[in-house]
Amino acid sequence: DAKTTQPPSMDCAEGRAANLPCNHSTISGNEYVYWYRQIHSQGPQYIIHGLKNNETNEMASLIITEDRKSSTLILPHATLRDTAVYYCIVRVAHNAGDMLTFGGGTRLMVKP
Amino acid sequence: DGGITQSPKYLFRKEGQNVTLSCEQNLNHDAMYWYRQDPGQGLRLIYYSQIVNDFQKGDIAEGYSVSREKKESFPLTVTSAQKNPTAFYLCASNGPSSGANVLTFGAGSRLTVL
Repeated sequence: DAKTTQPPSMDCAEGRAANLPCNHSTISGNEYVYWYRQIHSQGPQYIIHGLKNNETNEMASLIITEDRKSSTLILPHATLRDTAVYYCIVRVAHNAGDMLTFGGGTRLMVKP
Repeated sequence: DGGITQSPKYLFRKEGQNVTLSCEQNLNHDAMYWYRQDPGQGLRLIYYSQIVNDFQKGDIAEGYSVSREKKESFPLTVTSAQKNPTAFYLCASNGPSSGANVLTFGAGSRLTVL
């Protein structure tokens, strides 16, 4: 699996967009980018994933650069409840049953 | 609603005692996982099971044991051989309906050894 690099922490003002970067310069052509988040003392929650096209769902948008060496998770209007640790994971999409590795992630603090 | 239920949420154990953490899912998922999380750290894989009656060691299996006798259940036993068992334990599952690498997690069990 490609290694990912994320900043350890970020702050964001409530109501503003939160842009969380992830570097994955060694990503291979068949590896997807997955994002999860973990609110304090809860289990991680899946957010979004993508291969090369930008993706959007009800929770967030995922922007992947054309060379796929980095990506950005965007929370368009951050709320206090978005305060969490955000994990970027790069992995091949095998059949269900493969295990994921969660690194340190980015601790996002949304401030009023 | 479908989901994963972990119990107990909080557990205290004396040194030398074994303790079993429960994980039950009603999502009809084939694969189930146990992760351990220490304060301020990421998740580390303990054991995983891709099908009933089969399981594999993860990165930190020493001092832990599991069973997978039913599709819905994947209990984790923390044995006295685990030298530093105080941690937050997370169970997860996934299946073809959820998509590759899309895991559903339980709320976690926090184990404290006194």
